Amino acid sequence: GESVGLHLPTLSVQEGDNSIINCAYSNSASDYFIWYKQESGKGPQFIIDIRSNMDKRQGQRVTVLLNKTVKHLSLQIAATQPGDSAVYFCAEAKPNTGNQFYFGTGTSLTVIP
Amino acid sequence: EAQVTQNPRYLITVTGKKLTVTCSQNMNHEYMSWYRQDPGLGLRQIYYSMNVEVTDKGDVPEGYKVSRKEKRNFPLILESPSPNQTSLYFCASSLRGALPDEQYFGPGTRLTVT
Repeated sequence: GESVGLHLPTLSVQEGDNSIINCAYSNSASDYFIWYKQESGKGPQFIIDIRSNMDKRQGQRVTVLLNKTVKHLSLQIAATQPGDSAVYFCAEAKPNTGNQFYFGTGTSLTVIP
Repeated sequence: EAQVTQNPRYLITVTGKKLTVTCSQNMNHEYMSWYRQDPGLGLRQIYYSMNVEVTDKGDVPEGYKVSRKEKRNFPLILESPSPNQTSLYFCASSLRGALPDEQYFGPGTRLTVT
């Protein structure tokens, strides 16, 4: 079956530093990806998405980079804040299925004040 | 406030005792979905619904039922719960169910089956 994985299960960064969270996907036909943030005791929250016809997309303090050659996705968070502490996971849309996804297992980001 | 609500938030039950977890959204979304989240496995889709009276199996539908009689509600039914259904369950909705389409997730229901 398909798999969407993350390179590191945990990541600690100093407040104010930039964070980079990585994700690998396996289906080269996948054309849509999403990053989610999940705070403790809450449901996942959409952060940013990207289509496969793009290499980079920027939001507010976040940037997603897509490298289709190596099937790699990354989320960059600028000037990380304590409120950014959460689990982050990527999701890969199953091709030709509409709103169905493979979800990664997540990286737990801890921001050190 | 636009939101997805789930009830109950926490539930402890025994094997074989039928239960229903409710899900409701107030955003007039067509698409609704149920997921389970287990350590080390990520979110896995159980069932989804593209609109009223239209439901389809996700990746792990065994042991679950759903119904979509109204647009706003999408209950998850466990007819005979088993311990392997102990998990954290999330309901989600989105406007159309076609990409790109942001899914809004509920707060989760933690189910323990003994």
